[in-house]
Amino acid sequence: AQKVTQAQTEISVVEKEDVTLDCVYETRDTTYYLFWYKQPPSGELVFLIRRNSFDEQNEISGRYSWNFQKSTSSFNFTITASQVVDSAVYFCALSEARQAGTALIFGKGTTLSVSS
Amino acid sequence: DAGVTQSPTHLIKTRGQQVTLRCSPKSGHDTVSWYQQALGQGPQFIFQYYEEEERQRGNFPDRFSGHQFPNYSSELNVNALLLGDSALYLCASSSTSGGGRDTQYFGPGTRLTVL
Repeated sequence: AQKVTQAQTEISVVEKEDVTLDCVYETRDTTYYLFWYKQPPSGELVFLIRRNSFDEQNEISGRYSWNFQKSTSSFNFTITASQVVDSAVYFCALSEARQAGTALIFGKGTTLSVSS
Repeated sequence: DAGVTQSPTHLIKTRGQQVTLRCSPKSGHDTVSWYQQALGQGPQFIFQYYEEEERQRGNFPDRFSGHQFPNYSSELNVNALLLGDSALYLCASSSTSGGGRDTQYFGPGTRLTVL
């Protein structure tokens, strides 16, 4: 069965600190897709990144970076020099490559609070 | 380019009533998925519609039903509302043009409160 675990429920940091959000997933498929979404207080889920299971290249986008390791079934997300605007709930999600549908399986989320 | 839109924004119903939520997908998208997000939890997949048919369904009772129209917009219907149906209902759209594995983009959600 597929499952996504985000062990960190809440993280609090001070502005300019680096912070890493952990995500561990379980799937029996060899082809799958991993995502990170951000949910600010307004409630709308904002897409951040998608990674295919056959592409283990790490990615950096501005202050954001993602570390995908199939050997440990992890897809961790690091924010460098955090800012108050980064305060939100962050969700990791998994989608298996099935013909019938592309449901996203979400973790429970990590609430990040950045104070000034 | 308009993103995913949902209506209404908020809704208050009483137990036993029925409710209909609406979603318009992002331009160019043909697939709509619905999710339920209880307070403090991650979104839970309800079902997905493509070509006006339910393509995949999560672990939700038959009280939850949906529909997709020829213009790709979608409705989520919930009958016989229970207190436990109170949640944020999120609609997401995606495209099958990328082999069906395209990213889902979410709307702002409908906050349903059942009293």
